[in-house]
Amino acid sequence: GENVEQHPSTLSVQEGDSAVIKCTYSDSASNYFPWYKQELGKGPQLIIDIRSNVGEKKDQRIAVTLNKTAKHFSLHITETQPEDSAVYFCAASMTGTASKLTFGTGTRLQVTL
Amino acid sequence: DGGITQSPKYLFRKEGQNVTLSCEQNLNHDAMYWYRQDPGQGLRLIYYSQIVNDFQKGDIAEGYSVSREKKESFPLTVTSAQKNPTAFYLCASSISAGGLYEQYFGPGTRLTVT
Repeated sequence: GENVEQHPSTLSVQEGDSAVIKCTYSDSASNYFPWYKQELGKGPQLIIDIRSNVGEKKDQRIAVTLNKTAKHFSLHITETQPEDSAVYFCAASMTGTASKLTFGTGTRLQVTL
Repeated sequence: DGGITQSPKYLFRKEGQNVTLSCEQNLNHDAMYWYRQDPGQGLRLIYYSQIVNDFQKGDIAEGYSVSREKKESFPLTVTSAQKNPTAFYLCASSISAGGLYEQYFGPGTRLTVT
């Protein structure tokens, strides 16, 4: 089955700096890669996703890049703000009615003033 | 408001007892999921259901059971056979199964078994 590795497990940045979280996946058939943000005591929420037919996607201060050859994808947050502090999860899945998301182990991002 | 509700938020049980966690959605989604979250291990899939009266085991189904009698409801029972039941449990739903659709998560239930 699919295996997703995520690094780093914790990340501390100063407000205004950029943050980068990286994930690698094992199954070359995977073609959908979402990123979820989980705030303390809440369920995860989708913040951005990318499909394998594109290499990069941006949404305001958030961007995701995908390298299919190397089987890795990354989340980039620019101009970080205190409200960006949360746990971020990457995930991977593939087309198919029985397919399901495989999550990484999470990155705890702390944005300090 | 549309969304997913899980109840209760905190649940305490004695070892050896079965306990059922509630999950309800009013998003008219066909697919529903149960995940377990432990520190440092991300989200692991317990069971998922693509349609009413149908469900499949996920990666860690042992010691758990589910039912899907109604589209809106997907309760999870943690049985006494589950060796390490203390965890944070998350329910999710999506428009359809297939892995390419956004999953919407509930607020979670923290279960503590002593």
